[in-house]
Amino acid sequence: GEDVEQSLFLSVREGDSSVINCTYTDSSSTYLYWYKQEPGAGLQLLTYIFSNMDMKQDQRLTVLLNKKDKHLSLRIADTQTGDSAIYFCAESIGDYKLSFGAGTTVTVRA
Amino acid sequence: DSGVTQTPKHLITATGQRVTLRCSPRSGDLSVYWYQQSLDQGLQFLIQYYNGEERAKGNILERFSAQQFPDLHSELNLSSLELGDSALYFCASSVADRATGELFFGEGSRLTVL
Repeated sequence: GEDVEQSLFLSVREGDSSVINCTYTDSSSTYLYWYKQEPGAGLQLLTYIFSNMDMKQDQRLTVLLNKKDKHLSLRIADTQTGDSAIYFCAESIGDYKLSFGAGTTVTVRA
Repeated sequence: DSGVTQTPKHLITATGQRVTLRCSPRSGDLSVYWYQQSLDQGLQFLIQYYNGEERAKGNILERFSAQQFPDLHSELNLSSLELGDSALYFCASSVADRATGELFFGEGSRLTVL
């Protein structure tokens, strides 16, 4: 199957941590990605993790991968208003295709 | 700015019509991907081209077709349009022929079918 599932909405207070969760189905996925879409813009790659890794940290972003449960999460530390956007989880399907989740809309409130 | 250019940004047309969406990839990128984003279906992969050749096909309807030209720009043709075709159509590009690296997305073409 090629379903990537993620919750649709997340509201977080400015300065708190945000955690966005995703489940995927293709156990052979080589790479898993997090893309960000700001209003009126295209998707932009935030970070990715190779399937043989458990964790990747990049400044305020931490990606956790549980391959056994096919669960991926993105933690944003010290969430800012500029982090308000739609976040897409994606998995590589074979060599030529990325399958995206429906996107999680993150709203940061003051 | 991702370097991927899509035209037109907005398009309004009627059912039964045909439209062409255009994409210019980033300089040096040989792969072009087309995605459809709608409220009920999320982001759906349509088709990928690499250096003029079709490489992968997703949930693309028979009424839709695409091609990549020698100058690497790509066009997505949508015909016999239906109300349900209203969506945001994204083009993305990458250097490699494989979707295992970063894809660079354009800002999308918003199609409204009335």
